[in-house]
Amino acid sequence: DAGITQSPRHKVTETGTPVTLRCHQTENHRYMYWYRQDPGHGLRLIHYSYGVKDTDKGEVSDGYSVSRSKTEDFLLTLESATSSQTSVYFCAISEVGEGSPLHFGNGTRLTVT
Amino acid sequence: ILNVEQSPQSLHVQEGDSTNFTCSFPSSNFYALHWYRWETAKSPEALFVMTLNGDEKKKGRISATLNTKEGYSYLYIKGSQPEDSATYLCAFSRNYGQNFVFGPGTRLSVLP
Repeated sequence: DAGITQSPRHKVTETGTPVTLRCHQTENHRYMYWYRQDPGHGLRLIHYSYGVKDTDKGEVSDGYSVSRSKTEDFLLTLESATSSQTSVYFCAISEVGEGSPLHFGNGTRLTVT
Repeated sequence: ILNVEQSPQSLHVQEGDSTNFTCSFPSSNFYALHWYRWETAKSPEALFVMTLNGDEKKKGRISATLNTKEGYSYLYIKGSQPEDSATYLCAFSRNYGQNFVFGPGTRLSVLP
């Protein structure tokens, strides 16, 4: 999977607790993304990063924050998890340029009870 | 929020049938259009990256065309096989940006 590791793969947490998901890449790609997958919505962009400490919001960023202190790591944090954040979260990476596809990790299944 | 649409939502075909799907996107400030194949319990994998109006790409029995002026792309599968069963996603970006917005996908089932 193009050298992308997501951790954890599965997590169950309670409403109101903080949660951090990690995406680690070994490809040295500049761009990293966090998407969530929900039935009927496909993949929706949460946040993305275009370099170390450079991030921007996607279409469903409310309730999420991200950090990228190193090229290889992109962290997604739910400050206070809610049941509506139960989802499968996918990390993706890409090179710079319009001809560069996204490469996806294996996903993290998060359940907020 | 960009609106990327795909049709049909789902499709059932017999083995050997040819089929096609549509991806519609805003026609202004086009940058790139991607097609991905997503099998159950796996991650999406890139099929095609399309950047120029009139682009036609082909990989085996699968091909795609792009019309940026009217804002659509077609994906064709010739002689569908059961292993083609998957969800096919398109993703669009504009303004030289790489924040790709995905359509909801077309779920294809090929019956033997």
